[in-house]
Amino acid sequence: AQTVTQSQPEMSVQEAETVTLSCTYDTSESNYYLFWYKQPPSRQMILVIRQEAYKQQNATENRFSVNFQKAAKSFSLKISDSQLGDTAMYFCAFMKRYGTSGSRLTFGEGTQLTVNP
Amino acid sequence: GAVVSQHPSRVICKSGTSVKIECRSLDFQATTMFWYRQFPKQSLMLMATSNEGSKATYEQGVEKDKFLINHASLTLSTLTVTSAHPEDSSFYICSASRSGANVLTFGAGSRLTVL
Repeated sequence: AQTVTQSQPEMSVQEAETVTLSCTYDTSESNYYLFWYKQPPSRQMILVIRQEAYKQQNATENRFSVNFQKAAKSFSLKISDSQLGDTAMYFCAFMKRYGTSGSRLTFGEGTQLTVNP
Repeated sequence: GAVVSQHPSRVICKSGTSVKIECRSLDFQATTMFWYRQFPKQSLMLMATSNEGSKATYEQGVEKDKFLINHASLTLSTLTVTSAHPEDSSFYICSASRSGANVLTFGAGSRLTVL
């Protein structure tokens, strides 16, 4: 079974600053995907970024980037130029690579990020 | 992009009644959908995997007779909470994946309150 651990229940950052959220995972799988989802107060789950385990290059999406360390089973999210709208709960998640359809996600406990003006 | 619609967004019911929540993939076909439950300030816990045309697969500890799942078409899965009790009050979220995408899209969630 897979486990995902987020050791930071809460974090805060000043607007325009940079913040890094931590995530570690445990798995015996060799092919898998890792995700960061955000859940704002509306509670809609929104995909932030996705990493394919077989790709060594770290994924980036505008202000969001990851530091994927496969050997260490670490997958941190860096948010640059933080904006007030980034305030949300952030979940790290793991998915086994499974055929051609989506598979189940295993979530971490979440990190509540607050961006202060 | 992939859009998942979930309805109703909020529902209040009396103890002992049944409530149905619908999850629809609007612009794609989903052979598999997932149902999650989330308590306040907690993570999402997978309840069951809904498979089109076959029985759902429930996670350990989830009562299949309490949480009935039907996936009758490639765009619709329903979750029925039967004989609801106050402890069933929670936020229920569905998700689905476009074939080959390997990324899940989530519905907006349904807040169930059982009085």
